[in-house]
Amino acid sequence: GESVGLHLPTLSVQEGDNSIINCAYSNSASDYFIWYKQESGKGPQFIIDIRSNMDKRQGQRVTVLLNKTVKHLSLQIAATQPGDSAVYFCAENRDTGRRALTFGSGTRLQVQP
Amino acid sequence: ETGVTQSPTHLIKTRGQQVTLRCSSQSGHNTVSWYQQALGQGPQFIFQYYREEENGRGNFPPRFSGLQFPNYSSELNVNALELDDSALYLCASSPGTSAYEQYFGPGTRLTVT
Repeated sequence: GESVGLHLPTLSVQEGDNSIINCAYSNSASDYFIWYKQESGKGPQFIIDIRSNMDKRQGQRVTVLLNKTVKHLSLQIAATQPGDSAVYFCAENRDTGRRALTFGSGTRLQVQP
Repeated sequence: ETGVTQSPTHLIKTRGQQVTLRCSSQSGHNTVSWYQQALGQGPQFIFQYYREEENGRGNFPPRFSGLQFPNYSSELNVNALELDDSALYLCASSPGTSAYEQYFGPGTRLTVT
């Protein structure tokens, strides 16, 4: 998998712009997806989740879009702020018992002031 | 803040030693899942504890074991430490055994020398 902090895909945006972070998932049987934000030295922080019976869900400044046809998930952050700089992970519940989360490759978001 | 706490925050051990990490779950959550996040990787599921019993396990050897107590707090024990065990160990609590709404603690950084 991709590295957190090492050789990560990086998205660099200007403060105030909108950010879109993409994630491809592998298991069409997964029915729950979460986006986490992880700052350096901290645990993953829950941002927003979506179930497979939905295509879109909105939170405060964030929107998650789910395209089950192509197994693609995206996180949109409106009016990106310097505090949004972090590594972002998508996760799915693809294990048989639906107990564990399987994390995708992380994306580093860098917000330029 | 998620209300999930972990101790210690950092730990240095020597190869072959044993280590115990601790996690207190968020109020109202009865399930604890443990993840290992190696440097440069996303978190990987180790196992889950519910009703004081292991309730699902990832691809980790038996020297990784755990406990859950009546107050839902949990311990992760690793025997015969190896250099590759160096990682950030995360616990996540949730209100049930499914992957829904897993909230992570800050993690314990383990270094094995």
